[in-house]
Parts: sequence; C-alpha cells; structure tokens
Amino acid sequence: SQKIEQNSEALNIQEGKTATLTCNYTNYSPAYLQWYRQDPGRGPVFLLLIRENEKEKRKERLKVTFDTTLKQSLFHITASQPADSATYLCALKGGKLIFGQGTELSVKP
Amino acid sequence: DAGVIQSPRHEVTEMGQEVTLRCKPISGHNSLFWYRQTMMRGLELLIYFNNNVPIDDSGMPEDRFSAKMPNASFSTLKIQPSEPRDSAVYFCASSLARPNTGELFFGEGSRLTVL
Repeated sequence: SQKIEQNSEALNIQEGKTATLTCNYTNYSPAYLQWYRQDPGRGPVFLLLIRENEKEKRKERLKVTFDTTLKQSLFHITASQPADSATYLCALKGGKLIFGQGTELSVKP
Repeated sequence: DAGVIQSPRHEVTEMGQEVTLRCKPISGHNSLFWYRQTMMRGLELLIYFNNNVPIDDSGMPEDRFSAKMPNASFSTLKIQPSEPRDSAVYFCASSLARPNTGELFFGEGSRLTVL
C-alpha cells in the first residue's frame, strides 16, 4: 500500500544550525512533492514544490531535494531561527495530494 | 485578500447530534478540499471538488458524512449523527487547478469535539 513516512520524533536543534527533515515514500510515483509548514492551531501553509524531474529547489533559507530513485525528499532550513519552530509536512501528488504525518521542529536560541 | 474562511472555529456537541461545518474558498479558486487531522492519522483527505462537482469522495469515512458545494463560494461538510471518534480538526482548502502546481490554501480549521 502507499505510504509516506516522516521523522516521527521531534527534531531539536540550536539556532544557526541547519535543520534537515526527511520524507520517504513507498508505492508512489508522484508527479510532484510539496512541503508545508503548520503552526499550532493553524492550517498548513505552502512552502515549496518540487517536480519529479527536478533534483533540487531553493527559496531563501529553504532547500528541498527530490530523489525518485531513493523515493526520498530532504527539506533543509539553513541558519535556523526560533521562528522556524513548527511542524513541517510533506505532501505527494499522485492522483490526490496525500500528506505525511509531519515532523515537529524546535529551534532553541 | 481574504483567505479560506471556515466556521465555526470550535464546535462541541453531544453524540448523535448533527454537525455542519462551513467553508468559503478563495475567490477564483476552482478546486476545494476537505481534510481531517488527528494525532493518530495525520491529515486525511475526505473529499474534493472541481468546479463545484465532487471528484473523489473515497476518503469519506462512512454514510454519516456528506459534503456539498452548491456554488463556487460555499461548501459544507455535514456529520449526522456525530460520534466521539469524529472528534478532530477539519480543514477546508482551495486551489486554482493550474497544471503542475496544486498549491493548497488552507483555512484555520474547525475543531470538533463530540462528547
């Protein structure tokens, strides 16, 4: 069956370091992959989209990679700040847009 | 520019009661989605509409759930009768169905508690 896996444990890092979040999937051939940010009590907010024929995408301090052979996407936040603390969700577009469970990131000052 | 508007933000009801959640998508968007989020199951797609027509309702848990989109600016998700296991945050999202984008704009959610 189709499955999306994100780090289930919260990620705690120090301010200024690079945060790396992982999204693995099985039994999918997604046309594209998206990353969203969700703050407590709020709806998810779109961050980045990467298509199946793209290896890497950047937006300011954010970088996403997409390896369709490994069936994995990595999401990096460089020079992390406490304001980056949130839950990050990956979402895959096959037929429908399906979300992973999310990884909670905590950036300590 | 107003985002996706959902109401109510919070709803507490008793088992067996009817619950109606409402959503106003972003003007001009032609796709609308209803998701449910719980700690155990994460964000699950319940149903989505294109141009007011339901396209895929395979995520709707059972016949107690129904969704309508009578026009481009309004949708409802109804649960009748409600059960405690329906307690969750229900999100509505809309998008403009451009090819190869599909960015979803989410509302702030309706937190439902069924006692």
